[in-house]
Amino acid sequence: SQTIHQWPATLVQPVGSPLSLECTVEGTSNPNLYWYRQAAGRGLQLLFYSVGIGQISSEVPQNLSASRPQDRQFILSSKKLLLSDSGFYLCAWSLGSTNEQFFGPGTRLTVL
Amino acid sequence: SQQGEEDPQALSIQEGENATMNCSYKTSINNLQWYRQNSGRGLVHLILIRSNEREKHSGRLRVTLDTSKKSSSLLITASRAADTASYFCAPPSYGKLTFGQGTILTVHP
Repeated sequence: SQTIHQWPATLVQPVGSPLSLECTVEGTSNPNLYWYRQAAGRGLQLLFYSVGIGQISSEVPQNLSASRPQDRQFILSSKKLLLSDSGFYLCAWSLGSTNEQFFGPGTRLTVL
Repeated sequence: SQQGEEDPQALSIQEGENATMNCSYKTSINNLQWYRQNSGRGLVHLILIRSNEREKHSGRLRVTLDTSKKSSSLLITASRAADTASYFCAPPSYGKLTFGQGTILTVHP
């Protein structure tokens, strides 16, 4: 069966520090991968998606970047965090762009 | 980009009652999905309804789709306290799913 992992589960970082969040998927091949951010009490904002290794599409201009070094690994990064980067970050995968998405447990990021 | 808009934003009911949540979208779709999110957790897929389907059932869930009105509804029958969560509809747009603000459902025991 397929599983998706995200770590860390929670993170508190100072403004200006770097960020690296990792997401890995098991049990499937060639998935579409997604990074979402959810502000408190709000909906999901799609940040990045990837249809293959090294292929990254950015949905909104921001202080973040994403990479996909392996088929089932998706990394969200920042060189210098801003206060506005705080939020709940969710990784998801799907087979096909409009098919069911499977979400990871999320990372709660607080930037102080 | 298109976004599903859920209504109401919040819904509070007693255990055993039915809960109905609505979703409106803007452009033609080939399917629409509903997801559930427990507080502080990832989203879980509930049901997918295709554009050629008007109604679909899954356990206590009933989803309808009216493509002429560009709307969908999610009905949870005989609600339980464990149904307390946020519910999102997700219509596709330009090959990606879009999520609205969700409906926060609170079921009181």
